[in-house]
Parts: sequence; C-alpha cells; structure tokens
Amino acid sequence: AQKITQTQPGMFVQEKEAVTLDCTYDTSDPSYGLFWYKQPSSGEMIFLIYQGSYDQQNATEGRYSLNFQKARKSANLVISASQLGDSAMYFCAMREGLGGTYKYIFGTGTRLKVLA
Amino acid sequence: GAVVSQHPSWVICKSGTSVKIECRSLDFQATTMFWYRQFPKQSLMLMATSNEGSKATYEQGVEKDKFLINHASLTLSTLTVTSAHPEDSSFYICSARLQGGNQPQHFGDGTRLSIL
Repeated sequence: AQKITQTQPGMFVQEKEAVTLDCTYDTSDPSYGLFWYKQPSSGEMIFLIYQGSYDQQNATEGRYSLNFQKARKSANLVISASQLGDSAMYFCAMREGLGGTYKYIFGTGTRLKVLA
Repeated sequence: GAVVSQHPSWVICKSGTSVKIECRSLDFQATTMFWYRQFPKQSLMLMATSNEGSKATYEQGVEKDKFLINHASLTLSTLTVTSAHPEDSSFYICSARLQGGNQPQHFGDGTRLSIL
C-alpha cells in the first residue's frame, strides 16, 4: 500500500497566483515527519519545508506553507505568489522510524508548471 | 550549511564496466547516508541506507553484490555499480542528514549513469 500519495501528476498555475499540491500519508507511528522537496529539471533535490507530527502549528517558510491536517493524514503544500522559477517536480516525503533507523519514503511527485 | 557533494555528475561507459559514485558531506558529519535511484519521471526509490563503519542496509529487491556501498568515514559514502549493464542506466542520488528527527535530508546533485 502506498504510504505517501500525491494524486496530482501535473498542475498548472498562473504566475502570481497561489497553488496547493496535495499529499496524503499513511503511518501507524505516532512520531513522524513530513517534508516537501522541489526537483528542477537539473535534477537536484531542494528541501522546502518540514512538519513534525507533534507540531501544533502549520509550518511556513517564506512563500511555502504546509496545510497539516493530522486527522485526515494530509500535508498539502501551498505556494503563494507563484513565480516562473517554481516550475519543477515537487515531492512529498515522510520520515518514519526511530533514531538511527529512520527511513524516508517519497511520493510519486507532482509536476508544477507556472504560466506567464 | 549542510552541503552534500556528489561526484561524478555524468557517467557514460561501456557495458561490463564498474562505476563508483562518491557522496560527501562537506560541512557536517553524517553517520547515515542514503542512496536512491530515480527513473525518468518517477519518484525516488530508496536503494540502501549507508551506515558509517558498518554494513549498509539494503531495501528489498536491491542486489547488494551489484550495488556495493562503502561508508568508511563520517563524510564519505561510495556506491559502486559492478559490471554495469544498460538496465542499470538511471539517475542515482545520495543524501545525508544532520542529527535530529526534524532535520531534512540534504541531497547531492545526483549522477546520471548511462551504460552503452
């Protein structure tokens, strides 16, 4: 069964508008972490934002915010004021496990295209 | 901070050749590094967890004799693709993380491997 699900293979957004990229997860661990990464066409993975399972508030990092709904097991990424440079592949990832046995699981990704 | 360097960026070689990819944490010590494989337009697939001073932990279905991992120091892990064949052609990317559950993985820029 998929542990990280990204249901949007591709998304379009107009420049300067906001966009939400969906991510749902499945875990029985009480302690876990959720991450979003951006992968441009050049291939490198760029860390965007982190949300811990015990965090009370939604994480924010500049134009990125994470809409964390624990009961629904969703961790959607919101990008505000989209820029052309935001066009890339976006991956949601979950860290589960304890201490030295951490493992990270990635979703299948959403390709975002920002339109001028 | 938290820079991970991966070398080489591109490799093109003949079938039957062994290829070594290096992953270095430049400004921090990494007791654990991760090796991923990514096929075109797909997600990152965890191949193995590299542990400094001990054997790597391989994911199910990954041949340990085919993909040799050595993590001899706190700043260097290597992945050797032995007797590479065209089906081993892929994008390989490593990551390392600082201590602490809320620390993200920091990725190298990846290695594009093409076996002719």
